[in-house]
Amino acid sequence: NAGVMQNPRHLVRRRGQEARLRCSPMKGHSHVYWYRQLPEEGLKFMVYLQKENIIDESGMPKERFSAEFPKEGPSILRIQQVVRGDSAAYFCASSQDRGATYGYTFGSGTRLTVV
Amino acid sequence: KQEVTQIPAALSVPEGENLVLNCSFTDSAIYNLQWFRQDPGKGLTSLLLIQSSQREQTSGRLNASLDKSSGRSTLYIAASQPGDSATYLCAVNGGSRLTFGEGTQLTVNP
Repeated sequence: NAGVMQNPRHLVRRRGQEARLRCSPMKGHSHVYWYRQLPEEGLKFMVYLQKENIIDESGMPKERFSAEFPKEGPSILRIQQVVRGDSAAYFCASSQDRGATYGYTFGSGTRLTVV
Repeated sequence: KQEVTQIPAALSVPEGENLVLNCSFTDSAIYNLQWFRQDPGKGLTSLLLIQSSQREQTSGRLNASLDKSSGRSTLYIAASQPGDSATYLCAVNGGSRLTFGEGTQLTVNP
């Protein structure tokens, strides 16, 4: 009964490259959320997706960031032309229903380092 | 806009003490509230989930209370152990997202 799976665990990118972070939700969960934790800061909401739909992307930076949750396969958070300020831990969470009646389950995160 | 505050920011106690972590939030229109634990460099582990209609939840040595009308929750840890050392996060569910506090960094000394 695997939980939320994120990969890779660690990702190093040079400035200007693209970063792709993947998240497979818990079995039976169709709602996915991405959060970012900058060094020495709290977790901030980025985006909420359901299969093939973006429900709420109000926390996403306006440029270079995008997210998808296709019908088949994991959710992807994509960061184009990374800059040093993108270095952070990116966490994915999933829930069973809209409103997360049974709470959120988080993955172990992807730690992105931009050099 | 929901804002979540956790007090204290850091806490250091000797092993065996009972302790209370505090969380306050500004918007009482919540679905539920969740307490998490985060170890350095690790992910988030859910400790307790309290629905908006509930007053408290218990799991082992942990007890969480919720007073929605006053915008407060507390996490009570009984008989603390060194293995309890971690950052404790309070997160409020507004329906489509969690809003997190900055956390309480707990150190339990042997």
